[in-house]
Amino acid sequence: EIVLTQSPGTLSLSPGERATLSCRASQSVSSSYLAWYQQKTAQAPRLLIYGASSRATGIPDRFSGSGSGTDFTLTISRLEPEDFAVYYCQQYGSSPPVTFGGGTTVEIK
Amino acid sequence: QVQLQESGPGLVKSSQTLSLTCTVSGGSISSVSYYWSWIRQPAGKGLEWIGRIYTSGSTNYNPSLKSRVTISVDTSKNQFSLKLNSVTAADTAVYYCARSQKYCSGGTCYVTHFDYWGQGTLVTVSS
Repeated sequence: EIVLTQSPGTLSLSPGERATLSCRASQSVSSSYLAWYQQKTAQAPRLLIYGASSRATGIPDRFSGSGSGTDFTLTISRLEPEDFAVYYCQQYGSSPPVTFGGGTTVEIK
Repeated sequence: QVQLQESGPGLVKSSQTLSLTCTVSGGSISSVSYYWSWIRQPAGKGLEWIGRIYTSGSTNYNPSLKSRVTISVDTSKNQFSLKLNSVTAADTAVYYCARSQKYCSGGTCYVTHFDYWGQGTLVTVSS
């Protein structure tokens, strides 16, 4: 099973600032099969990025994903008020089980 | 637009069986292009994948839950279901159903990210 470790646990930033979230895998993720999701309170997760760097439909271009192998990054170039939420990475390249990282909370400073 | 909707009891007694159904609208659960999963999230915690099913009825389960989980599909109703037996308080969570795509390349097929999710349903296990 691939374990995903997200850091930091909490990121305190102001609107307009840049957010950099990390996701590290315990072993290489096949073909960059890594996704990022945003979850707001009392809502289901929303797909942001798949294939490590492809934006999902309707996702603003201030969200970008990068990385390969075991190290992946989600960057939000300029935080908007609606971007303060919890973010999860997920790998799907290996055999089951599908696994998620523990999440990074982006909070208003 | 594909929509998924979970339904089922919100309260289950300890040691009994949790049963949930996910109804898919706006698309066919019989499509060969998709897998259908259950995912759960205890309050204030992260996401845990429970398992998935393909239209053929083929399933994969999280090893940590495999001995207690059954996922089934009813193509006539465009639904898939979750049964989790011998529940305890640790099974109290919001349960989501979600869709992922089947992607094949070079003779190998993969199950990809979750592109559509249900709104989630809270199941509380009581003693």
